[in-house]
Amino acid sequence: NAGVTQTPKFQVLKTGQSMTLQCAQDMNHEYMSWYRQDPGMGLRLIHYSVGAGITDQGEVPNGYNVSRSTTEDFPLRLLSAAPSQTSVYFCASSYSNWGKGTEAFFGQGTRLTVV
Amino acid sequence: AQSVTQLDSQVPVFEEAPVELRCNYSSSVSVYLFWYVQYPNQGLQLLLKYLSGSTLVKGINGFEAEFNKSQTSFHLRKPSVHISDTAEYFCAVIPNGAGSYQLTFGKGTKLSVIP
Repeated sequence: NAGVTQTPKFQVLKTGQSMTLQCAQDMNHEYMSWYRQDPGMGLRLIHYSVGAGITDQGEVPNGYNVSRSTTEDFPLRLLSAAPSQTSVYFCASSYSNWGKGTEAFFGQGTRLTVV
Repeated sequence: AQSVTQLDSQVPVFEEAPVELRCNYSSSVSVYLFWYVQYPNQGLQLLLKYLSGSTLVKGINGFEAEFNKSQTSFHLRKPSVHISDTAEYFCAVIPNGAGSYQLTFGKGTKLSVIP
């Protein structure tokens, strides 16, 4: 199994550009989420989905959109990139929600720089 | 709301020495607790988790953690570290229950193993 696959691994954007970070999992997991990781800040939840067609906001959702049309894919869209969105982005999936103690599987991350 | 405090941002330790990475949490409800490890340029990987039962939890790679409810702590230990343990370690909590979706992470502790 490939697990959780994120593309691209690296990206440089200019301020104001838009882009989509891709995330795909092949484990038939219902729960998927996006986190951003900033130095000294740990990981912060951006958006999450509990199944196809269902998404909700996390701690830091501003400037990001998500959709979940299939169980496998959960893309993250930056509508108008800003330097404050320079970060490492991680997609994670799990069989069910973490409140049941389920293990989360993380992708390798996308390192985004906005100039 | 929950919060996680990792008391040390960096911990240098000599190879084959013991190590303890400290984690304290705050929550008004019962929680599940996790330790994740992030090797350089990789995603996060589950080391161990506490859901219920024995307060001493054993994980992968020889790590263990002890849950102390009265001190709201979940410290991670290893009796003898190896160079390959050099990584960043994250403590995380989530309220237990089906409606919990946000895993709250600490800011991380960078473990450097010195040859």
